[in-house]
Amino acid sequence: AQSVTQLGSHVSVSEGALVLLRCNYSSSVPPYLFWYVQYPNQGLQLLLKYTTGATLVKGINGFEAEFKKSETSFHLTKPSAHMSDAAEYFCAVSHILTGGGNKLTFGTGTQLKVEL
Amino acid sequence: KAGVTQTPRYLIKTRGQQVTLSCSPISGHRSVSWYQQTPGQGLQFLFEYFSETQRNKGNFPGRFSGRQFSNSRSEMNVSTLELGDSALYLCASSGTGTEIEQYFGPGTRLTVT
Repeated sequence: AQSVTQLGSHVSVSEGALVLLRCNYSSSVPPYLFWYVQYPNQGLQLLLKYTTGATLVKGINGFEAEFKKSETSFHLTKPSAHMSDAAEYFCAVSHILTGGGNKLTFGTGTQLKVEL
Repeated sequence: KAGVTQTPRYLIKTRGQQVTLSCSPISGHRSVSWYQQTPGQGLQFLFEYFSETQRNKGNFPGRFSGRQFSNSRSEMNVSTLELGDSALYLCASSGTGTEIEQYFGPGTRLTVT
């Protein structure tokens, strides 16, 4: 079974500081990995994805993540935090199902707070 | 391209009632998945529809059901509502072929009293 662990349910950074949100996965097959962001009272917005190929993946809003197979990690980073980055972030692994299609298994989320 | 839309955005129901939620996927997308989000259980997969057929199902009781229409729009139904069904219900669509990313709608916030 595939699973995702997000370390730190709450992370606080100063505006302009580095953002680092941690995600570790468990998968018996090469994983497809995603980061989503959720703003209050909204759905999930796809930030970036890793499928195959380049292990450093760039996404929207200046975020990027690096797939490290040896560490089973897919941490999300942004060099300089902005107040608008305050939101909840979810790491997810895609599980290809026997009937076709896929489902996402999510981590428990990390609430990012950005302080002045 | 318009995104995934869900209606209604908010619902208040009483225990024992039933409810129907609607989801319109991104134009051209044929797969629609449903997820339940609660503070206690997080995000959990309910089911997935593709070409009007339920292709996959999560671990939820039979009170949760769904369907998909020929235009790919999907509905989910919850019968005999329980307090624990209060949640944000999210719909996601994905394209065909090799696309695996799912695009989410804004969700329907269901409150059961």
